[in-house]
Amino acid sequence: EAQVTQNPRYLITVTGKKLTVTCSQNMNHEYMSWYRQDPGLGLRQIYYSMNVEVTDKGDVPEGYKVSRKEKRNFPLILESPSPNQTSLYFCASSWQGNQPQHFGDGTRLSIL
Amino acid sequence: DQQVKQNSPSLSVQEGRISILNCDYTNSMFDYFLWYKKYPAEGPTFLISISSIKDKNEDGRFTVFLNKSAKHLSLHIVPSQPGDSAVYFCAASGYNNNDMRFGAGTRLTVKP
Repeated sequence: EAQVTQNPRYLITVTGKKLTVTCSQNMNHEYMSWYRQDPGLGLRQIYYSMNVEVTDKGDVPEGYKVSRKEKRNFPLILESPSPNQTSLYFCASSWQGNQPQHFGDGTRLSIL
Repeated sequence: DQQVKQNSPSLSVQEGRISILNCDYTNSMFDYFLWYKKYPAEGPTFLISISSIKDKNEDGRFTVFLNKSAKHLSLHIVPSQPGDSAVYFCAASGYNNNDMRFGAGTRLTVKP
């Protein structure tokens, strides 16, 4: 079954404690992306990757890092989380960036 | 700067009637438009798309209309069913773009 898997699904943590949200896809897609969803703002792109070792900033990259060492994995790293990063995060993948994307089920982060 | 706007946060319709969800965009470079549906606790799922070379695309009960001169698209659902109750996101991208811009979403409620 085609899937994008995110972990964890929920996380409550404190300001400044580094965290990583993992994302894995089994469709051999070249393109992967991270979004955050906030009320009234919809989905905003954080970072995207067109292929292994190729990443680029989206609309709201500040405070986030990503890496793409393998095709299937695209982790999102918050080096020093702050309360304004409390949000619902989605990972997505597709063949190309301008094509329909498959989304994971989301990770709800609360930064206290 | 939100380049894709969904100005109606919510819409309520009776089962069997037509649902019309609207979306406006500002970037004339967009040439590919998509609608996604999102249920609670799940990621968005792709619903239907339209290229700028068309003005209409149908898939079963779902039809998307594109008015390029007005920079407006709409999603029609006929007939609406209670299972269609979800948040609908409009998205847009350009042919040579590697990112996709989303609207804020419209929550559709279909009443039995």
